[in-house]
Amino acid sequence: QLQLQESGPGLVKPSETLSLICNVSARSISWKTFYWGWVRQPPGKGLEWIGTIYYNEKTYYSPSLQSRVTMSMDTSKNQFSLKMNSVTAADTALYYCVGTGSNWFDPWGQGALVTVSS
Amino acid sequence: QSALTQPASVSGSPGQSITISCTGTSSDVGAYNYVSWYHQHPGKAPKFLIYEVSNRPSGVSNRFSGSKSGNTASLTISGLQTEDEGDYYCSSYTTNRIVIFGGGTKLTVL
Repeated sequence: QLQLQESGPGLVKPSETLSLICNVSARSISWKTFYWGWVRQPPGKGLEWIGTIYYNEKTYYSPSLQSRVTMSMDTSKNQFSLKMNSVTAADTALYYCVGTGSNWFDPWGQGALVTVSS
Repeated sequence: QSALTQPASVSGSPGQSITISCTGTSSDVGAYNYVSWYHQHPGKAPKFLIYEVSNRPSGVSNRFSGSKSGNTASLTISGLQTEDEGDYYCSSYTTNRIVIFGGGTKLTVL
């Protein structure tokens, strides 16, 4: 069964870079008809799509985050990652890695809480 | 691109049916049949309910159904159960090749 698990620091200082990794089990991230992404949820708020990365490492990002976000893949480790620079308190959120068929999201990781604070 | 518009809350009694709307524009909901729905219990990751407007993934109860008319998509839950409580989110693929979510709807089963 396909499973995703996020990992990374839970606390990041303002203006620094948030880095998260998603480990994928039971399916190769190189599969051509299935893609990978990130969705975040600030405490008590709704879901926000961050971006999607395709098997060929083509990426699509939310316009509001595009200037600060980079997604990449490591096929040797079967994992993909998210980097977001110049973070502020507004980036404090639960970050989910997701599998995606480009227009839907399943499965979801359990989520990684990232707090931006000095 | 703005978030899709959902009612903040809806409620119903066990056994009843409710409908949650998700309104977008001709650049997202109205452009493609690429609307999906998710259910989130407090403290849990969202669960995938509906894809491409009206399709249920394997394992999702047939009490959940989706539809679309113009720029508005809808999720209907029939035979409400207490376990259906929680937050519901719609999402749509857009003509800019991005995905946007609705603001979420809190369902209370009275």
